[in-house]
Amino acid sequence: NAGVMQNPRHLVRRRGQEARLRCSPMKGHSHVYWYRQLPEEGLKFMVYLQKENIIDESGMPKERFSAEFPKEGPSILRIQQVVRGDSAAYFCASSTSMSGGAGEQFFGPGTRLTVL
Amino acid sequence: GDSVTQMEGPVTLSEEAFLTINCTYTATGYPSLFWYVQYPGEGLQLLLKATKADDKGSNKGFEATYRKETTSFHLEKGSVQVSDSAVYFCALRSPDNAGNMLTFGGGTRLMVKP
Repeated sequence: NAGVMQNPRHLVRRRGQEARLRCSPMKGHSHVYWYRQLPEEGLKFMVYLQKENIIDESGMPKERFSAEFPKEGPSILRIQQVVRGDSAAYFCASSTSMSGGAGEQFFGPGTRLTVL
Repeated sequence: GDSVTQMEGPVTLSEEAFLTINCTYTATGYPSLFWYVQYPGEGLQLLLKATKADDKGSNKGFEATYRKETTSFHLEKGSVQVSDSAVYFCALRSPDNAGNMLTFGGGTRLMVKP
């Protein structure tokens, strides 16, 4: 059973370009979470999605960032017009459900975005 | 809001030394508590968890006890190995949290020297 897959593992963009980060959850998982880790900091929640629905985007910057989890295919985190402050590691996690005490989140290896 | 505070690192120990990494939290209700480990260049792996007061999570020689009276979940290991060198994150998930997201501490880097 493959784990959470993210690609690319490393992404370099120039200021003003777009970054697209992909996440394929574990088989059987219908819940996806995106977190951002700035250098030398902990992970900060960005967005929580289920298939075709955004459940909670309270941690997502209001501008330039968007996320989707279509019926078919991976979840996509999209950053438009990237700036140097977007340089970070972006982690995706997936779980089976949000039932209390269960629904353990399994993390992918992350995408390290560098904005030049 | 929910928050997690961990002791700052790096923590440098010799092999076979005793490890404690402190973690305290602030949350409404009764959160579930977790320790995750991140090896260099990798994602986070769940190390252990506890879902109610006085529960002890344990895995690979690591232990942590959910102490509601002190709102703590300190990570301990009796004898560390070089292979334990990594960054350790304490996290919580609040039952009042409709989004089910995890709230992380800032991480503690552990370096074990042979």
